[in-house]
Amino acid sequence: QQPVQSPQAVILREGEDAVINCSSSKALYSVHWYRQKHGEAPVFLMILLKGGEQKGHEKISASFNEKKQQSSLYLTASQLSYSGTYFCGTGGGRGSNYKLTFGKGTLLTVNP
Amino acid sequence: EAGVAQSPRYKIIEKRQSVAFWCNPISGHATLYWYQQILGQGPKLLIQFQNNGVVDDSQLPKDRFSAERLKGVDSTLKIQPAKLEDSAVYLCASSPNTGARQETQYFGPGTRLLVL
Repeated sequence: QQPVQSPQAVILREGEDAVINCSSSKALYSVHWYRQKHGEAPVFLMILLKGGEQKGHEKISASFNEKKQQSSLYLTASQLSYSGTYFCGTGGGRGSNYKLTFGKGTLLTVNP
Repeated sequence: EAGVAQSPRYKIIEKRQSVAFWCNPISGHATLYWYQQILGQGPKLLIQFQNNGVVDDSQLPKDRFSAERLKGVDSTLKIQPAKLEDSAVYLCASSPNTGARQETQYFGPGTRLLVL
């Protein structure tokens, strides 16, 4: 089941903040966040695990609500380089080989 | 450290033709993934290898798609015959160990396929 991301698109001015949400109808064991610029490979941002463990870039923050099966990515004081499409990948458990199912993405545009 | 390498970067073929993509993962990475990314969508897993064994190919259209990872290093993905709906970017990714939930997947630049 594909996770639902919201909003689908957001436009910011440099320095503004944004929140991107990822919601699943299935129990989550992990949430992986990636950013993809046009024509480039997705780049890892953060992993959030059931149980509270996180790993990722220092300047990126995110939350994981296991009960609600949701995750949010917080982008503060946005820079032009933050522009791109953000994908969440939700991971199943061992029985699904921890397979990631990605949402459709959120297009973030940061303008000067 | 070199990243995931893929070739070719672009390919244009006519429907019913065959095509093959190549991927070389990060050195030492045990797990290799092939994803299909249709325009405007997130990546969709086609097949996952751990070393040279298949872990998951449940979403691979096996009537036309095949993949192999001989010797547990590089991998090829083949489509034969191609259909119009196969037009997409094919991404290869790798992770260090078993592909467990805490492992980061590192993506290659992708192969952009257009089927006419």
